[in-house]
Amino acid sequence: GAVVSQHPSRVICKSGTSVKIECRSLDFQATTMFWYRQFPKQSLMLMATSNEGSKATYEQGVEKDKFLINHASLTLSTLTVTSAHPEDSSFYICSANRELGEAFFGQGTRLTVV
Amino acid sequence: GQQLNQSPQSMFIQEGEDVSMNCTSSSIFNTWLWYKQDPGEGPVLLIALYKAGELTSNGRLTAQFGITRKDSFLNISASIPSDVGIYFCAGEYGNKLVFGAGTILRVKS
Repeated sequence: GAVVSQHPSRVICKSGTSVKIECRSLDFQATTMFWYRQFPKQSLMLMATSNEGSKATYEQGVEKDKFLINHASLTLSTLTVTSAHPEDSSFYICSANRELGEAFFGQGTRLTVV
Repeated sequence: GQQLNQSPQSMFIQEGEDVSMNCTSSSIFNTWLWYKQDPGEGPVLLIALYKAGELTSNGRLTAQFGITRKDSFLNISASIPSDVGIYFCAGEYGNKLVFGAGTILRVKS
């Protein structure tokens, strides 16, 4: 099956620093990837759509300057949480669509800002 | 915007029992997907449904895409302890997914 790899799986950072999360599609090319945020015991909330070679599309209420997305190749998208604060602590998950609309998810990244 | 109503919110069943959960929406979706998420992990795709009325099985799992494209159910037969987790339905519109709130499944051995 299709595999999407996300790294790191866990990160702890100090308040005010930036954190980069990588999402790679390992066995297929993805012109579009998606970034989600998930709070404990809640569903996934779409943050932004990452488009290869162009700007990301952000959902309403998501700060684009806070959550920088780069999709430089057909297999890699990165999410950088800039100037992180404790309220940014969350579980971040990426996904990539293969054909027919099947979305495959990365393993998720647990971000803790202290 | 699109919303999915998923029920039940949680289930605590005896090992060996069958499980049923469903999602409904007022919106039409092109594709319905069912995922399972274990704690600290990303969701794993269980079944994808593409055609209205489609009934698809994957081992002990069976899912159907409603004829109106506004609902879907997932059945798990003869549950086992490793079925525990959170199950999400997701509807695809354009190239985005909207998720249900999830069904937490607990299995008693």
